[in-house]
Amino acid sequence: GDSVTQMEGPVTLSEEACLTINCTYTATGYPSLFWYVQYPGEGLQLLLKATKADDKGSNKGFEATYRKETTSFHLEKGSVQVSDSAVYFCALSDRDDKIIFGKGTRLHILP
Amino acid sequence: DSGVTQTPKHLITATGQRVTLRCSPRSGDLSVYWYQQSLDQGLQFLIQYYNGEERAKGNILERFSAQQFPDLHSELNLSSLELGDSALYFCASSVEDPGLAGVGELFFGEGSRLTVL
Repeated sequence: GDSVTQMEGPVTLSEEACLTINCTYTATGYPSLFWYVQYPGEGLQLLLKATKADDKGSNKGFEATYRKETTSFHLEKGSVQVSDSAVYFCALSDRDDKIIFGKGTRLHILP
Repeated sequence: DSGVTQTPKHLITATGQRVTLRCSPRSGDLSVYWYQQSLDQGLQFLIQYYNGEERAKGNILERFSAQQFPDLHSELNLSSLELGDSALYFCASSVEDPGLAGVGELFFGEGSRLTVL
């Protein structure tokens, strides 16, 4: 079945460092791709999405590009802040329209 | 605040017992999804309803069942509980009909943390 693989954490960075969280997927057809973020004690919330190949999703300084040729959707940010500390989930919508999530990557940003 | 309400927030019970988790979706949302989040398995899709009908099933155990009522709230029933059922259970909602428009944004509640002793 469809699946999402993302880099294991935790990832620890200093403030203003560059961030990349890798995400690759396996799917039949052409899924939509998502990044969700979970702040401590809260539910997940959508960070960005892309619905077709070469689309770039962006929000709050984060970006991810839908790469069909490499089946990837890596999350990037040029300069992270302490407030970005959270768990980040890569996800896809499968052919049955279920949202399949990766296992999550915990990000710690040090001041 | 996502607009999705889950109760109870915390629940502690014993093995063999039965519990019911409740979810009220955002106003106007017709789809409800249930997920189980555990440390080792990540976020696992359990089941999805649209306007009262079951639409998709994931890794939901036979001891678990769910339904969506005419007022669109949903309940997840967990029975014959085992230690391994301890987890955070999330409900999410979305407005679209998955069959017509594909899936867009899911709005998650804050979760119900179940501890089985």
